[in-house]
Amino acid sequence: DTEVTQTPKHLVMGMTNKKSLKCEQHMGHRAMYWYKQKAKKPPELMFVYSYEKLSINESVPSRFSPECPNSSLLNLHLHALQPEDSALYLCASSQGPGEGRNEQFFGPGTRLTVL
Amino acid sequence: QKEVEQDPGPLSVPEGAIVSLNCTYSNSAFQYFMWYRQYSRKGPELLMYTYSSGNKEDGRFTAQVDKSSKYISLFIRDSQPSDSATYLCAMSAGSNDYKLSFGAGTTVTVRA
Repeated sequence: DTEVTQTPKHLVMGMTNKKSLKCEQHMGHRAMYWYKQKAKKPPELMFVYSYEKLSINESVPSRFSPECPNSSLLNLHLHALQPEDSALYLCASSQGPGEGRNEQFFGPGTRLTVL
Repeated sequence: QKEVEQDPGPLSVPEGAIVSLNCTYSNSAFQYFMWYRQYSRKGPELLMYTYSSGNKEDGRFTAQVDKSSKYISLFIRDSQPSDSATYLCAMSAGSNDYKLSFGAGTTVTVRA
């Protein structure tokens, strides 16, 4: 079983709604990631937090707002999304820099549908 | 040209066959290589993590890296219907790299 958990599993929201995706990891990792994955495509990196600081923002629109409350938790706040934002949103974690390994462990994902 | 090329398949094999999956890459700096398995509508699951050239075996899975040819492979022996999934290769240059370069994924079906 994955040690990265994500809630909710499914989310349907209108374009004017505000919602949040949540992720938690229990492996003591210090880097956490948000990815977006469209059907039949590989995951596409959105944000990286390292030691609870935002390290990478892949020019993601401001309607996506990440938050890292502590080293185990990662949130993605959603507001005024577009139908083309419908996708599988994946959270991942890895050891922090300098630990010698960078393999990422993914959660099960949240399937988001924007109406 | 994409940085990582992976045959999209689909690949269909009978149960018990050996499945061979391949990726080629153009960035000679890549040293860390991963294979993920992704079932439909689920998150990717890490299968293998290797560093530099050589072979690594884990149960029915063998990962091979040939850095001189910029070519990596994953072999699945005695394939089972439960191996039916999309397989993604991923790689990076350094162990501190957050960004992984992914292949497009190969969809495999193992027929009972």
